Amino acid sequence: GQSLEQPSEVTAVEGAIVQINCTYQTSGFYGLSWYQQHDGGAPTFLSYNALDGLEETGRFSSFLSRSDSYGYLLLQELQMKDSASYFCAVRASGNTPLVFGKGTRLSVIA
Amino acid sequence: DVKVTQSSRYLVKRTGEKVFLECVQDMDHENMFWYRQDPGLGLRLIYFSYDVKMKEKGDIPEGYSVSREKKERFSLILESASTNQTSMYLCASSAGVGGANVLTFGAGSRLTVL
Repeated sequence: GQSLEQPSEVTAVEGAIVQINCTYQTSGFYGLSWYQQHDGGAPTFLSYNALDGLEETGRFSSFLSRSDSYGYLLLQELQMKDSASYFCAVRASGNTPLVFGKGTRLSVIA
Repeated sequence: DVKVTQSSRYLVKRTGEKVFLECVQDMDHENMFWYRQDPGLGLRLIYFSYDVKMKEKGDIPEGYSVSREKKERFSLILESASTNQTSMYLCASSAGVGGANVLTFGAGSRLTVL
């Protein structure tokens, strides 16, 4: 089976940087993904890491360390609109579906 | 844009009723999924399908069944609804095996079972 751990809540100040961590346990590993979900909205894809290192997309970056079974999502220059839930998700193989973590609720305050 | 449409945004049903949740995607995606979302529990996979007429159980299939008669449509069926099936149901689709990390979700169907 697979399990993922991420903090349930994080609060950060507008303009600051926040890191949301995710540790996982899987029988195999086929990449770590991140999704964003605003209240009342659908989850939307943010990023995917298959290899170790940092992937940057604008203000958002995602990091993976396969040896540590660990990844994080880094949000820079936080804006109020970044207040949302963020989910990490893994696949055990190329033929298995995504399994999601329980999500981290990010609150951005002024 | 890929669009995943769930037919009902809000439903209220009674215990024991048969419930159909419909999902249609318009981008010719091979893969379709049904997740359930509950506070504090994240998204849990109910069933998925990688091809027409094909279905696989996810992590919590008990009390549910699915149907995929056409590539674009994936239906979730609650044979006899129970109060513990009150939840938000999310349908998603993705292209081929390589693209299966990138899911496009529908807006969700919030089901209340009384």
